[in-house]
Parts: sequence; structure tokens; C-alpha cells
Amino acid sequence: DVKVTQSSRYLVKRTGEKVFLECVQDMDHENMFWYRQDPGLGLRLIYFSYDVKMKEKGDIPEGYSVSREKKERFSLILESASTNQTSMYLCASSLAGGVETQYFGPGTRLLVL
Amino acid sequence: TQLLEQSPQFLSIQEGENLTVYCNSSSVFSSLQWYRQEPGEGPVLLVTVVTGGEVKKLKRLTFQFGDARKDSSLHITAAQPGDTGLYLCAGGAYNTDKLIFGTGTRLQVFP
Repeated sequence: DVKVTQSSRYLVKRTGEKVFLECVQDMDHENMFWYRQDPGLGLRLIYFSYDVKMKEKGDIPEGYSVSREKKERFSLILESASTNQTSMYLCASSLAGGVETQYFGPGTRLLVL
Repeated sequence: TQLLEQSPQFLSIQEGENLTVYCNSSSVFSSLQWYRQEPGEGPVLLVTVVTGGEVKKLKRLTFQFGDARKDSSLHITAAQPGDTGLYLCAGGAYNTDKLIFGTGTRLQVFP
């Protein structure tokens, strides 16, 4: 069975802290994604990785960076958390090659105080 | 930037009613997917449509991709409480594996 796991379901951090969100998939997928979900805005793509060490900026990359050292793991880093980064963060993975299903993790709800 | 607008944003109905959710854009997409997200979970794929004018049925759910590949609709017949959730459309862009997600429709079906 397909599985995408995220390191935390809930996180509370202070403004200025460095925050790491980790995502692991067990499906040998080439693609991995980080999205941010806010009410009324749907899912907005932060970063996309199509291979190990390869990444592409999404629609809202400012304030975020990513790391993909192994195929199964994709990390999202908030270098200096700010209150406007309070949100739900969703990780997904998919096969490469066009019209493929994206498989999502359960999400991490981040609160920045 | 490609945008996908969904309407309505919220829908609250009684069990047994029919409903339609719309997903509209000014951009052309290579494919259109619909996902459903339940509380505390990530979105799960319901269907993918790839041909303009295509209609797909999944039990009581009917999905249509517009002829011009710019819009889609989801129709639910005789809604049930188990249909409650957030419905998201997602357009496939050409020459990339990325999806553009819609703004979402939150459906609540009361018994």
C-alpha cells in the first residue's frame, strides 16, 4: 500500500526559529512536492523535486528551502519562521511522466508564535 | 500564473440532495483531476480526465472535462453524509509533472 509519512502532525515554533519538516515516501517515486494549504486558497506549491538533489521553485518559495539527498526523503526548511508561515503543510509524491496521481501525507499543522 | 477557481466555496445540504461543483480557469490544461480531503488527512484522488468533453462516472459522482479543457464539473447525485469533505480540482500543466490546484469546495452533508 502506498504511503507518504510526515514527521509531525502538529508543531508549535517561535518567530525566528529554524524549522524542519520531513517527508518520506515508500513508493520509489521520482517526484516529491511540498504544498501549503490555507482556507480559500487551495493548495499552493512551495517546491517540487523531480530527482535526488534536483529541485524547482513553485508558486510561493519565499522564506522556504528544500533538501532531497535521498530519493525517498524530501525536507522543507523554514530558515527563520515568521507568523505568516502558520499553515497546514502537505507533502506529496508521484511517478514521473505526466498524468500521474499525487499521493499525499496527512499534513503538518504549523503554528508560529 | 494559472489559476483554478472553484464554486461554490461552501455547500451545506441535506442527505439525498443533488449538487454540482464547478472548477473554472482561463488556461488550458492537459488533464484535470479531482481529489477529496477529509479532516486530518491529505487529499485522495477520485478521478482523472484527460480528453476534452470526457465524462466519467464513479458510482453517484459524475465528472466532466470541458470541451476546451479549461473547466470541469463534479456532480453528486443523492448526496450522503460520507460525501462530506473538501473537494479539490487540479489541472495538469503541459510539459511538467506539476499540478495547479483549485481553491476548494467544502461540502457538508447532513443526515
